[in-house]
Amino acid sequence: DTGVSQNPRHKITKRGQNVTFRCDPISEHNRLYWYRQTLGQGPEFLTYFQNEAQLEKSRLLSDRFSAERPKGSFSTLEIQRTEQGDSAMYLCASSGSTGLLTEAFFGQGTRLTVV
Amino acid sequence: AQKVTQAQTEISVVEKEDVTLDCVYETRDTTYYLFWYKQPPSGELVFLIRRNSFDEQNEISGRYSWNFQKSTSSFNFTITASQVVDSAVYFCALSDLGGDYKLSFGAGTTVTVRA
Repeated sequence: DTGVSQNPRHKITKRGQNVTFRCDPISEHNRLYWYRQTLGQGPEFLTYFQNEAQLEKSRLLSDRFSAERPKGSFSTLEIQRTEQGDSAMYLCASSGSTGLLTEAFFGQGTRLTVV
Repeated sequence: AQKVTQAQTEISVVEKEDVTLDCVYETRDTTYYLFWYKQPPSGELVFLIRRNSFDEQNEISGRYSWNFQKSTSSFNFTITASQVVDSAVYFCALSDLGGDYKLSFGAGTTVTVRA
């Protein structure tokens, strides 16, 4: 397994359009996380899945954002009616679950530019 | 609420110099994890070290070492004998011990190592 994979790596879209990003976690990992990172800042937690269940959503995740993990494998993050303030790097991470906190592995991210 | 502060925005050193990165955190939790991540220009966050709040023992791992002081809520990180490949943005992060890996990141410190 080559790690967490995110597609696309870059996305430029016009304001008002919808965009969807995909994350493929490490295959044996049942936990998947989405973070957003704006320029010059650290990543901010958006949401987290354990298997197919979305267990927590940050207040940063407005109604225009929706994330799914339908079969407990890959995940998608959709942003509807994009705004310029949505421009950021969207990072996905996955980790295992063995009772203790295990290391999370991050993907290379999808950089979104809203023009 | 959890908060991580990295007061140093940028650090520039000459190769072989030591680099110490400061991190101060705030949390109401009595048990928590602290992390350091590295983000090279490729964008992927690379896990470096993790320390839980029960263990204030400072350690050295290769060229990396850390100084965890619970009394001052600090978790500083040192790179010894820096190399050009160490050039990256370094993030300090905090998580509770609930096992859900919801990380609160600092704003990051950009380290530039010149040959």
